[in-house]
Amino acid sequence: NAGVMQNPRHLVRRRGQEARLRCSPMKGHSHVYWYRQLPEEGLKFMVYLQKENIIDESGMPKERFSAEFPKEGPSILRIQQVVRGDSAAYFCASSPRSGGPSYGYTFGSGTRLTVV
Amino acid sequence: SQELEQSPQSLIVQEGKNLTINCTSSKTLYGLYWYKQKYGEGLIFLMMLQKGGEEKSHEKITAKLDEKKQQSSLHITASQPSHAGIYLCGADLIQGAQKLVFGQGTRLTINP
Repeated sequence: NAGVMQNPRHLVRRRGQEARLRCSPMKGHSHVYWYRQLPEEGLKFMVYLQKENIIDESGMPKERFSAEFPKEGPSILRIQQVVRGDSAAYFCASSPRSGGPSYGYTFGSGTRLTVV
Repeated sequence: SQELEQSPQSLIVQEGKNLTINCTSSKTLYGLYWYKQKYGEGLIFLMMLQKGGEEKSHEKITAKLDEKKQQSSLHITASQPSHAGIYLCGADLIQGAQKLVFGQGTRLTINP
């Protein structure tokens, strides 16, 4: 049973380009969460999605960032017009239902975005 | 200030020694999760605690959640080089909110 799969593992983008990060949850998991780890900072929640629905995007920057989890296919975190400050590790987690103490959260290996 | 405070921020111990990492919150911890992260890699789940006074062990690692559910500790017995890494505590601070707040992490180095 494959874990949470994120790709690419490393992504380099020039300032102003778009970055697309993909996350395939564990088999049987229908809830996806995105977190960002900035250099020298802790992990910060960005967004929580279920299939075709954004449940909580309170941690998402208001501009340039968007996330989706379509009926078919992986969840996508999209960053438009990247800036150097977007350089970070982006982690995806999934849970079988709403996570929390009952079901927990399984994390992927992350995508390390570098903006040059 | 951080909602979850981890201490110490870094720790260097001799192989074979015991060590403890703490995670403290001013708010109730509805769920407390310990993860380990190797540099440049993902998070490996260690343990999850929910009930006040709960204690769980796996191999040489023991995690506890205090009765008031505001502090957790992670204890490693007879440390080995494989224990080296960054230990992160994450918590549900709002019941049912489905988003974890993480501490800053504790960087553990094991000297042979």
